Amino acid sequence: GAGVSQSPSNKVTEKGKDVELRCDPISGHTALYWYRQSLGQGLEFLIYFQGNSAPDKSGLPSDRFSAERTGGSVSTLTIQRTQQEDSAVYLCASSSDGTAGNIQYFGAGTRLSVL
Amino acid sequence: AQSVSQHNHHVILSEAASLELGCNYSYGGTVNLFWYVQYPGQHLQLLLKYFSGDPLVKGIKGFEAEFIKSKFSFNLRKPSVQWSDTAEYFCAVIPFTGRRALTFGSGTRLQVQP
Repeated sequence: GAGVSQSPSNKVTEKGKDVELRCDPISGHTALYWYRQSLGQGLEFLIYFQGNSAPDKSGLPSDRFSAERTGGSVSTLTIQRTQQEDSAVYLCASSSDGTAGNIQYFGAGTRLSVL
Repeated sequence: AQSVSQHNHHVILSEAASLELGCNYSYGGTVNLFWYVQYPGQHLQLLLKYFSGDPLVKGIKGFEAEFIKSKFSFNLRKPSVQWSDTAEYFCAVIPFTGRRALTFGSGTRLQVQP
């Protein structure tokens, strides 16, 4: 079956602009995660959605970052007023449920470059 | 909060050499442990996992890892590497309770020379 799909694969933006990154999880997966991969910080957790529960936003680095998940499926990560330090690869993952024992499957990521 | 340390940042081996990549974690409770691999230009994929039971787990492509609870370690091994194993390897943990997100180590870049 199809894996986790992310779009766009690459995004170049100017400092101060807003960007939206999209994630389409594996069909039937109720848990969805956003991570960020950058040279200085490695792979770091951003936000986690599980079913209809309130998302865990504890990893978001600032209030410029937000995410939503509509209809329990597709998710959008929004970064407002982008800064150069936001340049990174943004990864989405999904798992069949949110238990610790479930494998997270990753998408190919969106490479964001802020000029 | 948990943390993961990978001691080897860049490893260069010749084909057929043996591999061991170190991973130590810091967490007071029970965790599940993972190794993920990222081949050049590809997305992260699961190599192997430990949840419970036999502390020696086997994964894809001949990789194995041993969980040593007393040392908080989960080292990755392969007896004979191939050029196609060139990739970046990430150790990760997720606690049984609490935040359901993976905490990753900083990664080890493995370069296998033919």
